Amino acid sequence: EADIYQTPRYLVIGTGKKITLECSQTMGHDKMYWYQQDPGMELHLIHYSYGVNSTEKGDLSSESTVSRIRTEHFPLTLESARPSHTSQYLCASSNSGLEIYEQYFGPGTRLTVT
Amino acid sequence: KNQVEQSPQSLIILEGKNCTLQCNYTVSPFSNLRWYKQDTGRGPVSLTIMTFSENTKSNGRYTATLDADTKQSSLHITASQLSDSASYICVVSDRGSTLGRLYFGRGTQLTVWP
Repeated sequence: EADIYQTPRYLVIGTGKKITLECSQTMGHDKMYWYQQDPGMELHLIHYSYGVNSTEKGDLSSESTVSRIRTEHFPLTLESARPSHTSQYLCASSNSGLEIYEQYFGPGTRLTVT
Repeated sequence: KNQVEQSPQSLIILEGKNCTLQCNYTVSPFSNLRWYKQDTGRGPVSLTIMTFSENTKSNGRYTATLDADTKQSSLHITASQLSDSASYICVVSDRGSTLGRLYFGRGTQLTVWP
């Protein structure tokens, strides 16, 4: 079992609210990732980080933002939630410096915006 | 365009039976191929990782094969158990980017009936 945690696991919130999804890992991994997954669909990378103070946008355009102030913490923020943001959000982490690296996933946050 | 296609989309088998899931990819340049198991409402968990030079790898009752020439992979599950009910995702990593980008298939939803 990987030591990567996400909170909350489930969130139902109204349109226009600001939300922050938390992700923490205790493995000391440099790289961290946020993916978005809709039911029956593939995971899409929306943000990633190589390390502290490093953040990049992924393949899928997202209105969310991320920060990486500490190695173990990679929160994702939506300033104004909309129904189109309803989805599952998965956080992952991996070691750096290896060509073949294992990505460890958290349990996910299921977000519903009403 | 880098893509990963999986078949079948869904599969129902009886407990104790074997099954094989398929994956075709067009990712280039190829680095490695992974199979993940994703239980409902959870994050994916790695089953196997194979490089270009490996054509088979086992993890308990799971055996993955890779044909890098035809860009095909399969995941064979032996003596299925109820706990094998999950989505099985084929993931291909490319070579040539620092991130080692992952390309995800949509998964095969396996249901094992008693």
